[in-house]
Amino acid sequence: EPEVTQTPSHQVTQMGQEVILRCVPISNHLYFYWYRQILGQKVEFLVSFYNNEISEKSEIFDDQFSVERPDGSNFTLKIRSTKLEDSAMYFCASSDLGGVETQYFGPGTRLLVL
Amino acid sequence: QKEVEQDPGPLSVPEGAIVSLNCTYSNSAFQYFMWYRQYSRKGPELLMYTYSSGNKEDGRFTAQVDKSSKYISLFIRDSQPSDSATYLCAMRGGIQGAQKLVFGQGTRLTINP
Repeated sequence: EPEVTQTPSHQVTQMGQEVILRCVPISNHLYFYWYRQILGQKVEFLVSFYNNEISEKSEIFDDQFSVERPDGSNFTLKIRSTKLEDSAMYFCASSDLGGVETQYFGPGTRLLVL
Repeated sequence: QKEVEQDPGPLSVPEGAIVSLNCTYSNSAFQYFMWYRQYSRKGPELLMYTYSSGNKEDGRFTAQVDKSSKYISLFIRDSQPSDSATYLCAMRGGIQGAQKLVFGQGTRLTINP
């Protein structure tokens, strides 16, 4: 069964450093998403991406964040200057049709900012 | 009022029991309702999704949506220890482009052998 994959599974970084989290969505999906889950809290939406542009973003997704689809398979989330409060589990998701199909999640990248 | 509310539990039941998990919501624009299962330190795994009101059954799982009450439920029949996980409700609007999922807090469920 096709699945979303994410790398790395764990990332430890120093405050102020840049990190790039990588995702390979399900191959025929057209919509891509990033969510995060701070330990013990809800899963929160960050951004959705379709047709090579951001279609929706939350207030969390400020100028420190960016997303990119550098090729036909990868989808990345970049945090330019990490803060302590960026420590969380980051999930990538993808869906086939944004209006009908629902979203399938990857296993997540656990980011720890020291 | 929170957009989606879900009792975090924990909920502990004996094997074979019927489990009822619930969420309430405040946004009447929500049209799609999902239940995800999340094992510790893993990604959410889609269990079921329902469009608008009504019931949907899949094996031991039944999802119900009551839009008039803004209330959704997931029932698990003949619960098994392998059903032990955190169950997340999630919902989104029906407008094309309004794709973000809004999640509940999650209910931690333990099925005791």
